[in-house]
Order: sequence, then structure tokens, then C-alpha cells
Amino acid sequence: AQTVTQSQPEMSVQEAETVTLSCTYDTSESDYYLFWYKQPPSRQMILVIRQEAYKQQNATENRFSVNFQKAAKSFSLKISDSQLGDAAMYFCAYRRGDAGNNRKLIWGLGTSLAVNP
Amino acid sequence: DTGVSQNPRHKITKRGQNVTFRCDPISEHNRLYWYRQTLGQGPEFLTYFQNEAQLEKSRLLSDRFSAERPKGSFSTLEIQRTEQGDSAMYLCASSPGHSADTQYFGPGTRLTVL
Repeated sequence: AQTVTQSQPEMSVQEAETVTLSCTYDTSESDYYLFWYKQPPSRQMILVIRQEAYKQQNATENRFSVNFQKAAKSFSLKISDSQLGDAAMYFCAYRRGDAGNNRKLIWGLGTSLAVNP
Repeated sequence: DTGVSQNPRHKITKRGQNVTFRCDPISEHNRLYWYRQTLGQGPEFLTYFQNEAQLEKSRLLSDRFSAERPKGSFSTLEIQRTEQGDSAMYLCASSPGHSADTQYFGPGTRLTVL
């Protein structure tokens, strides 16, 4: 069974600084997708970034980028120039690529990020 | 293009009562998902629809839980004979329907069972 592990329950960063959130996963599949979602205190889950396993290039979205290490099964999220609005719970999630009827996301426990002014 | 909407946003009920939640997906999204999230945890998958067909159900979805998507648009999740352990945030998501699609989430329904 696939699992997702986020080993940092809480992190903090100074405004304008850079922070990296860690995620590792376990799978025997070769085709899959990885996601980072953000859940602010209002609780709506928002997609931050996604990565296709077949792509070697790391995904980037503005201040957000990932370091995808397929062999190590690692998928970390880097937030540059942190802003107060980045404070939230961040979840790493996995989905099989050849999903067929199996399209569920498998989630880590989350990392709570605080941004200090 | 409006996002996923869920109603009600909050529901307080007494143990043993039945409750029903509604999810309206993003227009033209043919896949719809239900997840449950308890405090301090990541979401857990409950069930998934493609159009009106329920294609996957988690073992978490006991006999007291039922979900429908009768016309392939909105979906309802019903919990019968609620228990205190059912207290959680119930999240709905939808996706467009292609193989590489991404799930977009609604604001959730917070259920409290007294």
C-alpha cells in the first residue's frame, strides 16, 4: 500500500525568508502524481503545486517549487520570499498514475507552517 | 467558473440522528470525491463518482454511510444513526475527468455529533 510521510509537524519561517517542507512516500508504482495542498485556517484545501513522476524537471509555481527525488521517493516543497498569507497547514498527497477506478489521494499528516513578521 | 460548494457548512446533531450533506462540483467536472478529515489528520478517502457511477468506496464507508450522485451533477452524503466518532470535516472535491486531472476542493462541512 502506498504511504505518505511528513516528518515535520510544525515549522516556522521569518517573513521574506525561505522554508522547505519535507515529504517522503512509499510506492511500488512507477507512474504517479504528487501534490502539495495548502489548508489555511478557514479550512479550504487549495492546490499549491503538482508533479508528474515521469517528468524529471521539478515543478515551479511562482514562489513555490519542489525538489522531486524519484529514486529517494522524496518530494519537498520550497517556499521562497515567505509571506504572512503562506501561514497554513501544508499537506503532501499521492495518487496513482494508471488510476483506472482508483483515483483517491493518499495524504500525509500535514505540516503546520507559521510565518513570523 | 465557480468552485466546489458544500452545504451546510456546519452541522450539529445529536447522536442517533441522520444527517445529509450536499456537494456541488465545478461545472462540467465529471468526477466527484468525498473525504473525511479529523482534527490533526490528513483527509481520508471515502468514495468517488464518475458521472453518476460510484466507482470506489473505502472500507471507512460503513453501512451507515451512503453517497449518491443521481444525475451526475451534485452529490449527497448521508450518515444514518450518527455516532460521536463521526464528528469530522467532510470534504468534497471534483476533477475534470482526464487521466492526469487534479482534484479541487470545497470548503467542507463540519459535523459535530453531541
